[in-house]
Amino acid sequence: DAKTTQPNSMESNEEEPVHLPCNHSTISGTDYIHWYRQLPSQGPEYVIHGLTSNVNNRMASLAIAEDRKSSTLILHRATLRDAAVYYCILRDFNAGGTSYGKLTFGQGTILTVHP
Amino acid sequence: NAGVTQTPKFQVLKTGQSMTLQCAQDMNHEYMSWYRQDPGMGLRLIHYSVGAGITDQGEVPNGYNVSRSTTEDFPLRLLSAAPSQTSVYFCASIGTGRSGANVLTFGAGSRLTVL
Repeated sequence: DAKTTQPNSMESNEEEPVHLPCNHSTISGTDYIHWYRQLPSQGPEYVIHGLTSNVNNRMASLAIAEDRKSSTLILHRATLRDAAVYYCILRDFNAGGTSYGKLTFGQGTILTVHP
Repeated sequence: NAGVTQTPKFQVLKTGQSMTLQCAQDMNHEYMSWYRQDPGMGLRLIHYSVGAGITDQGEVPNGYNVSRSTTEDFPLRLLSAAPSQTSVYFCASIGTGRSGANVLTFGAGSRLTVL
């Protein structure tokens, strides 16, 4: 299964943009790129996902490299509430239901936001 | 909608005791799963189910049993608790229909301590 690599930690100041990188050099053509985040003492929550094109939603933007071997989660204006562990994971949409059993959460990136 | 509900939120067991962590979802999601999270580590998949009556093992299944008699419920059983099972447990579901498709929804977690 394709793996992802993320920096262990990153820091940002409040109201500044944050770019969280993720490398997935062995990504297959049928892998979706998903991002989740886990706030302190809570379960992970969905942030965004994409396949090839850049994606935007109310929480963040996802920039996907043209060769799809890397992606970047962009928080346009970090707030203190964005301090969390961010996970980048891959899911093979062709594998159907069984692919859900192969979702692997690594250690993610710990984002610290300074006031 | 309540989403994914886990009970209990906290539990202390003695070694050798048994217990069941409950997980219920009201989104009619077909896929449900159990993860455990240990300090400083990412989430590791214990068991998952792609529908009622169907379960399969994840990355760390030993010491845990599951069953899926209804779409809504996916309990996790510890038959003989061990200190190594001290962890935070998360239940998650994902829909394959219109709502929640391709997105994992997590519960708030159950913190288990085995003495």
